[in-house]
Amino acid sequence: SQELEQSPQSLIVQEGKNLTINCTSSKTLYGLYWYKQKYGEGLIFLMMLQKGGEEKSHEKITAKLDEKKQQSSLHITASQPSHAGIYLCGADAGSSNTGKLIFGQGTTLQVKP
Amino acid sequence: NAGVTQTPKFRVLKTGQSMTLLCAQDMNHEYMYWYRQDPGMGLRLIHYSVGEGTTAKGEVPDGYNVSRLKKQNFLLGLESAAPSQTSVYFCASSYGAGGAWQETQYFGPGTRLLVL
Repeated sequence: SQELEQSPQSLIVQEGKNLTINCTSSKTLYGLYWYKQKYGEGLIFLMMLQKGGEEKSHEKITAKLDEKKQQSSLHITASQPSHAGIYLCGADAGSSNTGKLIFGQGTTLQVKP
Repeated sequence: NAGVTQTPKFRVLKTGQSMTLLCAQDMNHEYMYWYRQDPGMGLRLIHYSVGEGTTAKGEVPDGYNVSRLKKQNFLLGLESAAPSQTSVYFCASSYGAGGAWQETQYFGPGTRLLVL
């Protein structure tokens, strides 16, 4: 079965610094989602990537899917305290017409002011 | 639109008690899902539904039952709660699914369940 591995598991950065979170799949990815979760809250959709080499940006967050479609990265530029939270990658579990997703274990980000 | 809502937000149960978690969505989504989130394990799919009146098992279905009698509601039941079911439960819904046109899943705020 497909598994998603996120790294690092946790990250503490100084405000203003850049950072990258990685999500690696054991199989080819057909739809990779990035979500953000604040403590005690639900998941907020950030971006979805489908094509090899695809890159999307929203404000200071950029997500990329590699050409082989087995690894995605989430990059935050000039981090702010509002970026703190848990970042999860999710991917199509490979079952057609069900929408089932599998998720990585999450990366906890702390941003020190 | 309220999006995806979950009730209750927090509950404490004793071992052996039963309860039902309610998920409601007002986006006319066809697909609905129940996940549990545990430390260091990400989200795991419990059950899901691809339409009104249909349900199917996910990755960790044991000890749970679900029903989708109305398109907008997806209920998760625990018949005899166990401490291992202490977790945060998330409901999600999406318009469609599958392949290149897979739709984004929208999540509720979660229900924290503690089983003593």
